[in-house]
Amino acid sequence: EIVLTQSPGTLSLSPGERATLSCRASQTLPFDYLTWYQQKPGQAPRLLIYGASSRATGIPDRFSGTGSGTDFTLTISRLEPEDFAMYYCQQFDDSRITFGQGTRLEIK
Amino acid sequence: EVLLVQSGAEMKKPGESLNISCQATGYNFAKYWIGWVRQRPGKGLEWMGVIFPGDSDTKYSPSFQGQVTISVDKSIGTAFLQWRSLKASDTATYYCAREFPPGYYHGMDVWGPGTTVAVSS
Repeated sequence: EIVLTQSPGTLSLSPGERATLSCRASQTLPFDYLTWYQQKPGQAPRLLIYGASSRATGIPDRFSGTGSGTDFTLTISRLEPEDFAMYYCQQFDDSRITFGQGTRLEIK
Repeated sequence: EVLLVQSGAEMKKPGESLNISCQATGYNFAKYWIGWVRQRPGKGLEWMGVIFPGDSDTKYSPSFQGQVTISVDKSIGTAFLQWRSLKASDTATYYCAREFPPGYYHGMDVWGPGTTVAVSS
């Protein structure tokens, strides 16, 4: 089973700053099936990025995804107040899906 | 508009059975896998399994195999998550989500609002 490890666990930044969130896989992901979600308290997760780098419909272009193989990054270029939330990466392999443990992005 | 509507919150006792539902509207239900995700209070997301409404093909996470049953009624566009005997550790919010792309389940693009299940004696 592929394990996803997200870092840091918590990221404290100010609005306007750049956020860089990491997701590392224990093995190479086939076809870069790496997805990112945002979750705010009391809400369902929201799809941000799929296929490692494709933005989902309606997602602002300040969100971008990069990476391949085992190392993936979600970048938020200029943080808006509404971006402070939990972020999860997720992969698909061998007929199963697994999530990373999440990164909490909090206001400094 | 694609929507997933989940059944309401439940309060149950250990050992009781439970069936929660997820009704899909706004797209061809038979062509997309539907997945279930657990989130315990204050914890992360855990993928439980998926079902393909077109033929009821079902895949489970090893962590949930034998613990729950995922089913579907294609005629009413609804997926179900079922427990025969609840435990306190089943206390969580359960999300259903539409998997994408059509016919595959690489990720989840539309999510239901979640069903909160509380199990306590």
